Amino acid sequence: DQQVKQNSPSLSVQEGRISILNCDYTNSMFDYFLWYKKYPAEGPTFLISISSIKDKNEDGRFTVFLNKSAKHLSLHIVPSQPGDSAVYFCAASSTGNQFYFGTGTSLTVIP
Amino acid sequence: SQTIHQWPATLVQPVGSPLSLECTVEGTSNPNLYWYRQAAGRGLQLLFYSVGIGQISSEVPQNLSASRPQDRQFILSSKKLLLSDSGFYLCAWSVLTNQPQHFGDGTRLSIL
Repeated sequence: DQQVKQNSPSLSVQEGRISILNCDYTNSMFDYFLWYKKYPAEGPTFLISISSIKDKNEDGRFTVFLNKSAKHLSLHIVPSQPGDSAVYFCAASSTGNQFYFGTGTSLTVIP
Repeated sequence: SQTIHQWPATLVQPVGSPLSLECTVEGTSNPNLYWYRQAAGRGLQLLFYSVGIGQISSEVPQNLSASRPQDRQFILSSKKLLLSDSGFYLCAWSVLTNQPQHFGDGTRLSIL
């Protein structure tokens, strides 16, 4: 049973525009959420996190939004750059050790 | 700075053969260590985690086992591989629970 879902396998965005990656979860006990970025032939790299006591966390061009009532998480990248082209995974946890990952969204930023 | 090493990058093994994947972390002490697998079209699935030497927790029943013989060494093993063991295996570490996990570059395992 997939507790964390990324329903868009791929997304294409023009350079300079906003990229919005979405993630939905089913377990209301999740209280910590992360986004990872993965390039081919490399392991995922931690990007940004948010705890359930917040609804927004910002780090440079990256902002994560959490809507607990909708059980929805999103990552905004503004402005998008070609180097942002990668697969993005969201992950969620309620206990700390067991993180549940989505299947990933492949982002292509077109120059 | 902390680094994580995982090898080999790719591995092709026949069904029924044994497996040993090794992961080591440098630059930190007493890390939490994790093994994940990503099957085709699926998200990352946690297989094992360890909060200390000799302490292993298994999240899913399977044909695999894990060991932590030293503080910064984590080994994933199997006595007899199955076709269903094919996938992308990732090792990760974190400082504490509920903290971001940092991943190695993974091992692509193909079973023939």
